[in-house]
Amino acid sequence: EAQVTQNPRYLITVTGKKLTVTCSQNMNHEYMSWYRQDPGLGLRQIYYSMNVEVTDKGDVPEGYKVSRKEKRNFPLILESPSPNQTSLYFCASSLGTGENTEAFFGQGTRLTVV
Amino acid sequence: AQSVSQHNHHVILSEAASLELGCNYSYGGTVNLFWYVQYPGQHLQLLLKYFSGDPLVKGIKGFEAEFIKSKFSFNLRKPSVQWSDTAEYFCAVGPQGGYQKVTFGTGTKLQVIP
Repeated sequence: EAQVTQNPRYLITVTGKKLTVTCSQNMNHEYMSWYRQDPGLGLRQIYYSMNVEVTDKGDVPEGYKVSRKEKRNFPLILESPSPNQTSLYFCASSLGTGENTEAFFGQGTRLTVV
Repeated sequence: AQSVSQHNHHVILSEAASLELGCNYSYGGTVNLFWYVQYPGQHLQLLLKYFSGDPLVKGIKGFEAEFIKSKFSFNLRKPSVQWSDTAEYFCAVGPQGGYQKVTFGTGTKLQVIP
């Protein structure tokens, strides 16, 4: 089954404790991205990747890091989480070219930073 | 930079009422346009998309959208809503060509009353 898998689904952590949210897709998509969803703000892109070892900042990259060492994986890293990073996070992937630019989303990770 | 504006933040309808959700975008070039739906507690799923050709696009579950280039609009419609359509709806725009960034609107919460 074609899917984007995020882990964990729920995470509560303390300020300053490094964490990683994993994202994996099995559709051989080249384009992957991370979004955060906040009430009234919709989805805002954090980082995106156009291929292995090619990443770029989205609209709200501060406080986040990503890596793309393999095509299928695109982890999101919070080196020193802060309470304003409490949010619902979605990973997405797409073929990224021509007509096939629609995104396939993971189930989401609800992060709480206390 | 592209942007997307969704005019209605919260819409309440009775079952069988007709639905129209507004979406306007700004971008100087050729675009792909999308509507996504997020059911309560779930991830975003594609409802429909416009790439080229017929500006009236039909999607899943009886939804359709019309691309009006002169108005930079891509409004979502459904003739008769059901209780199961209760969800949040997101309009999104992305430039055509290559691996391009998709920008989402802030979303419209639809509540359908039985």
